[in-house]
Order: sequence, then structure tokens, then C-alpha cells
Amino acid sequence: EDQVTQSPEALRLQEGESSSLNCSYTVSGLRGLFWYRQDPGKGPEFLFTLYSAGEEKEKERLKATLTKKESFLHITAPKPEDSATYLCAAVPPLVFGKGTRLSVIA
Amino acid sequence: EAGVAQSPRYKIIEKRQSVAFWCNPISGHATLYWYQQILGQGPKLLIQFQNNGVVDDSQLPKDRFSAERLKGVDSTLKIQPAKLEDSAVYLCASSLVRGRTLLETQYFGPGTRLLVL
Repeated sequence: EDQVTQSPEALRLQEGESSSLNCSYTVSGLRGLFWYRQDPGKGPEFLFTLYSAGEEKEKERLKATLTKKESFLHITAPKPEDSATYLCAAVPPLVFGKGTRLSVIA
Repeated sequence: EAGVAQSPRYKIIEKRQSVAFWCNPISGHATLYWYQQILGQGPKLLIQFQNNGVVDDSQLPKDRFSAERLKGVDSTLKIQPAKLEDSAVYLCASSLVRGRTLLETQYFGPGTRLLVL
């Protein structure tokens, strides 16, 4: 069964304290992996798509990387406005993980 | 550019009642998706339309759920009759590319929060 597992479920950081979120997948023949950010009461907001192992993408304080079995979302010097749930999804067949709830405390 | 619009934002119904949700995608987007997101879970794809045709509805519980996309623009998702386990947020998303690969960037609406009592 195709699965996407995210860890940790929740993460609490002090402002400026860098960390990484993990997304492991068991889909066969991965063609793409998405990262989304979801704020409470809102729909997911697209961050990155990664297509092949070794690929990296960056946006402001976020950097996403992909290996053959997992993806990492690195958050450098986070700010309180980075607090959200971060979702990853693998294709095919488009399966989302449960997300990591990130809280950044000032 | 206006985003994906959904209505209503909230709905409370009794079990066995019916309910319908509406979605208006971003103008020009050919592909439309409906997702179910249960509290604490990631979104689960229910159905994917390309223009007004169904691409994938393999995870849609067809005994109670139905969806249509008339004229390839707006879409409605209906549940009849509703069960307690249908309580969730129903998200609509759209993407520009006329493809079947699921790799297109999807733009999500704010969702409709359904509570079935």
C-alpha cells in the first residue's frame, strides 16, 4: 500500500532555532513529491515540487530536499509567522501525509 | 487573480440528511479536484475532473457521494445521505495544465467544514 509518513507530528521551536521535518514514502515509481503549508481554517498553500533524488529547492527560510526514500523540509532561523501545518504528498497516486504541526515561539 | 472560491464555509446537518458544496475554480484552470480532510489527517483525493470529464473517482464513495462539473467550470459535490463519519473539511483545488499526471501545482480553496450530528 502506498504510504506517506511525516514526522514529528508536532514540533515546537524557539524563534531562530533551525530544524527539519521529515516525509518518508513507500510509493513505487515516485514521479513527484509536493510540500504544502496549511494555516488553521485555510486550504493548503503550495510550496515546492521535487521530481528526482538529489533535487533541492529553496524559498526564503525553507529548503526542501529529496532522496530515494524520503524528503526533508529544512527551516532555517524560523519566525513565528512560519507556524503552520506542513504537508507532503507523493505522486503517484497523490497521497498526503498527516502533516507536521510547527509552532515557532518568539 | 481571484483564488478558488467555495461555499458554504460551514455546514451543520443531521445524519441521513443531504448536503451540497459548491466550488468555483481559478479562471482558465482546466482541472478541478475535490478532497476530504478529516481532522488531524492529510487531504484525501475524492475526485478529479479535467474540463467536465471525470479523470479519477476511484476513492469517491459512490453509494452516497456524487460530483459534477457542468460546462467545465463550477463544480458541486453532494452527499446523500450523510453519515457521522462524513464530518470533515471538503477542499476544492484547481490546476491550470490540461494533464493527467497529478504533477501540476494545485491551488486550494478555503474549504467547507461539515459537521454531521
